[in-house]
Amino acid sequence: EAGVVQSPRYKIIEKKQPVAFWCNPISGHNTLYWYLQNLGQGPELLIRYENEEAVDDSQLPKDRFSAERLKGVDSTLKIQPAELGDSAVYLCASSLDRAAQYFGPGTRLTVL
Amino acid sequence: GESVGLHLPTLSVQEGDNSIINCAYSNSASDYFIWYKQESGKGPQFIIDIRSNMDKRQGQRVTVLLNKTVKHLSLQIAATQPGDSAVYFCAEKFGNEKLTFGTGTRLTIIP
Repeated sequence: EAGVVQSPRYKIIEKKQPVAFWCNPISGHNTLYWYLQNLGQGPELLIRYENEEAVDDSQLPKDRFSAERLKGVDSTLKIQPAELGDSAVYLCASSLDRAAQYFGPGTRLTVL
Repeated sequence: GESVGLHLPTLSVQEGDNSIINCAYSNSASDYFIWYKQESGKGPQFIIDIRSNMDKRQGQRVTVLLNKTVKHLSLQIAATQPGDSAVYFCAEKFGNEKLTFGTGTRLTIIP
């Protein structure tokens, strides 16, 4: 069974540019999560989807971050415009209802 | 060897020995706990989970112990191998609220 797929794995952009990350969850998992992970720290939730609905986006900086999961399967996370402090690893995870979350490999973003 | 989680984030263990990684969680109402292993350049990998109605759960070479009285969670790894070297995170959750991760402990296996 394929795990959570994310792309790209690495992205380097200049500040003020837009960037987008893509995630395809494990087949059948209805809940999808986007996390941000800074170096040496644990992941922090940005947004959680149950099917197409964003049920928890309280930690998403909505002035520059947006996310969508239009058909309740794959999802994109966008930053526009990116700032230097956005450099981090962006992780996607999925789960079946409230069960264990399984993570993808992440996208390492570097903003110059 | 043992660690105290947030206050001693690095643990070195001789290959073949058992290791114990500790975690002090914050919310006494948390009812679900997970241990993750994260290798360099990879996403967190699910190891084992436990619900609050249990105090012990065993997997392959791993055991998780939960002490709700003192809000303490531990991960025991038996007969450690070089591939066990990684950062280990505990995470807690209450009901349908978000999963909250600890800072992590770096485990290094000495050949």
